[in-house]
Amino acid sequence: TQLLEQSPQFLSIQEGENLTVYCNSSSVFSSLQWYRQEPGEGPVLLVTVVTGGEVKKLKRLTFQFGDARKDSSLHITAAQPGDTGLYLCAANMDSNYQLIWGAGTKLIIKP
Amino acid sequence: ETGVTQTPRHLVMGMTNKKSLKCEQHLGHNAMYWYKQSAKKPLELMFVYSLEERVENNSVPSRFSPECPNSSHLFLHLHTLQPEDSALYLCASSQDGVSGDGAFFGQGTRLTVV
Repeated sequence: TQLLEQSPQFLSIQEGENLTVYCNSSSVFSSLQWYRQEPGEGPVLLVTVVTGGEVKKLKRLTFQFGDARKDSSLHITAAQPGDTGLYLCAANMDSNYQLIWGAGTKLIIKP
Repeated sequence: ETGVTQTPRHLVMGMTNKKSLKCEQHLGHNAMYWYKQSAKKPLELMFVYSLEERVENNSVPSRFSPECPNSSHLFLHLHTLQPEDSALYLCASSQDGVSGDGAFFGQGTRLTVV
């Protein structure tokens, strides 16, 4: 059983559309991170959220941490082909080394 | 540029070979990690080093042997691997080993065991 469930597993949409992907758990986390990974590359950290209800924006990307710190969402406005990649969420339950990872959402934006 | 460099980028090895993966970080971080990434599965943490001491070993088979000679360099020595060990091996670093910091990853080594 995965502690972090990401949905959908795969999403293919047209350029210009909006989308939301989710990262859910029944566990409470002290912090949660979102990464984007492009083919043949390592994951790149996009954002870290630590406070319940926190919202962070990175250009067209909006990240939200759930009030109870059990889930998070990533919303992309007017998606571009450059947004294509594998979006991973990772979280830790306390201050230890063991980040818990989701399996990722593979996003394809078609021109 | 991520600040974390892995070599080689691709490696094909036989089951009886011995090879090593290398990772170097230029970020001044104190913690370094080895992860295994297989298709459609979450990243699997293999080893964690903090200030050159191994602090976590997630029941990784002994055919994988890490080495951290200093806080900037990390190696993964491979010996008598199995085909199911084929995967993308990722090195990462973070400021001080507290995972809430966020990790910076290298580009990975795509390993194929034949």
